[in-house]
Amino acid sequence: GAGVSQSPRYKVTKRGQDVALRCDPISGHVSLYWYRQALGQGPEFLTYFNYEAQQDKSGLPNDRFSAERPEGSISTLTIQRTEQRDSAMYRCASSLEQGLQVTEAFFGQGTRLTVV
Amino acid sequence: SQKIEQNSEALNIQEGKTATLTCNYTNYSPAYLQWYRQDPGRGPVFLLLIRENEKEKRKERLKVTFDTTLKQSLFHITASQPADSATYLCARTGYNKLIFGAGTRLAVHP
Repeated sequence: GAGVSQSPRYKVTKRGQDVALRCDPISGHVSLYWYRQALGQGPEFLTYFNYEAQQDKSGLPNDRFSAERPEGSISTLTIQRTEQRDSAMYRCASSLEQGLQVTEAFFGQGTRLTVV
Repeated sequence: SQKIEQNSEALNIQEGKTATLTCNYTNYSPAYLQWYRQDPGRGPVFLLLIRENEKEKRKERLKVTFDTTLKQSLFHITASQPADSATYLCARTGYNKLIFGAGTRLAVHP
């Protein structure tokens, strides 16, 4: 597709379960970003990749959160032992070039995660 | 800490008027700022990028200014239309990532 694709769109999981959220960036985009967005707030940075290398994971809340992009394209954000406070919209974005100083980010529709 | 702040109160204006949204930053001077539009249930969509040495950038009915003395960026929509109603996000670029403000919701009434 032409845009950033995320799946699933909605995920309801029980507390303590692991979840994997998938992001398929725009073809050829070098950088991929994960954000989390609470209602009424702006996106909160989690982590980002250039190609397959994770460049910055300073925004990951704790060690239950991890992300990978093994072939420099599709990325997976994994949350282990989910907790209710993990409920949020998780958004993926990609950019054509490294460095958002000069280029824009394209966002996907997001995955709405609900932990019950 | 380096903060980027937007007015959390919604802005209500009449169709045809100019909407002005504010983005303030503290404790640093970003070299670049980006503005995004976000509609309910959708991801942010890029609108404009401005560099600190540009002072002003225009795109159709949109205008962004960057005042490094006031540590402020203003986002203007001229001849506003109900279709402009959305949340507008300001973001600074730092270390190759975007750091967003909370956004300001704009409502344009017919």
